[in-house]
Amino acid sequence: QLTQTPSSLSASVGDRVTITCRASQSISTHLNWYQQKPGKAPKFLMYAASSLQSGVPSRFSGSGSGTDFSLTISSLQPEDFATYYCQQSYIIPWTFGQGTKVEIK
Amino acid sequence: QVQLQESGPGLVNPSETLSLTCNVSGDSISSRNDYWGWIRQPPGKGLEWIGSIYYNGHTYYNPSLKSRVTISVDTSKNHFSLRLSSVTAADTAVYYCARREGNYRGYNWFDPWGQGTLVTVSS
Repeated sequence: QLTQTPSSLSASVGDRVTITCRASQSISTHLNWYQQKPGKAPKFLMYAASSLQSGVPSRFSGSGSGTDFSLTISSLQPEDFATYYCQQSYIIPWTFGQGTKVEIK
Repeated sequence: QVQLQESGPGLVNPSETLSLTCNVSGDSISSRNDYWGWIRQPPGKGLEWIGSIYYNGHTYYNPSLKSRVTISVDTSKNHFSLRLSSVTAADTAVYYCARREGNYRGYNWFDPWGQGTLVTVSS
């Protein structure tokens, strides 16, 4: 089970934003992050907790191992307002966090 | 560039079987060491992995749905399919198909995704 905090947050363009994801048991670094905008499919951002997918802006970064992980957006841009999901790929069933909605303040 | 597209009925009667197909274009479904899978999202809620299949037919299912789920693959048509039996209103969701891609270090992730198709269970 993956628990994301917070479930939602309000931030301004240029803010630094951090989302956390906690696993109920160790998943090493088998943690992925996705971004989803309303009415769209999730977009893959990052794998292995901190490896950025090709084409994803460098303002996105990830860290963590074991049970505690985080996704940080160093300077929030207008196109970053979305819902973010973590997903573990270590144990079947592969599971997702409940999501963190990043809204405009 | 691989693209995935879901197709199937948008409305299913309670207790009947939901059937969807994911057409893969831009690459052969059997050309890589990837699995192909289904993920769903009830309206306003989070994501749930349903199951995945390899081109040779090997499958993994979410235990919470295993008794009702069948995923199959047709390499000649370059598509894979989902069947979910005995549906209820709780199965109403956007259903996505996605490739489960991986690397030599044992990491894997879902990319790309289809655009998703809303399936409503109602009489």
